[in-house]
Amino acid sequence: GAGVSQSPSNKVTEKGKDVELRCDPISGHTALYWYRQSLGQGLEFLIYFQGNSAPDKSGLPSDRFSAERTGGSVSTLTIQRTQQEDSAVYLCASSPRRASETQYFGPGTRLLVL
Amino acid sequence: GESVGLHLPTLSVQEGDNSIINCAYSNSASDYFIWYKQESGKGPQFIIDIRSNMDKRQGQRVTVLLNKTVKHLSLQIAATQPGDSAVYFCAEISGANNLFFGTGTRLTVIP
Repeated sequence: GAGVSQSPSNKVTEKGKDVELRCDPISGHTALYWYRQSLGQGLEFLIYFQGNSAPDKSGLPSDRFSAERTGGSVSTLTIQRTQQEDSAVYLCASSPRRASETQYFGPGTRLLVL
Repeated sequence: GESVGLHLPTLSVQEGDNSIINCAYSNSASDYFIWYKQESGKGPQFIIDIRSNMDKRQGQRVTVLLNKTVKHLSLQIAATQPGDSAVYFCAEISGANNLFFGTGTRLTVIP
């Protein structure tokens, strides 16, 4: 595709439910990132995938958060037992190889936990 | 520039004036810097970048200045237009994988 796509664009869920957010990076990009952006806040790094290497999970806020990247392309961010403080925009970005190159962002998934 | 508490710094400018958005970075080893623009309801978009071996880079209506002595980055927008209203983030990168975003500055252009 022409750019990074994310789905769903909006998600409303009840506290305690699990959610899955999807990211399709730009074709051929080996690096993929997930960020979280709360209302009026900056970008908070969550996790970074690079090729077949073990992901950098240092930004995940709790063990309720996990992510996987299948086949080096599509990635899924899963939040288990959602809490109201998980409400935010979840952004995915990809770059050709690594963080030292420009990252291209998707439109984000707006998650609201009631 | 830097954010304090939960609120983004804001900058309001008249249409046609020049805008200067500032960013202080923390890591003297950072060797690559990017400015992103984020419009309401959209993901960040790349504007311009600069490497640490430069102190100035110009694009179309935008200029980025890098002062490594004081670890300061600025984005200058010439002849600011209403479409420039957005949140602007700076990002610093050191090494291959270490990327850090600033909190952002909200630019409002007054017609």
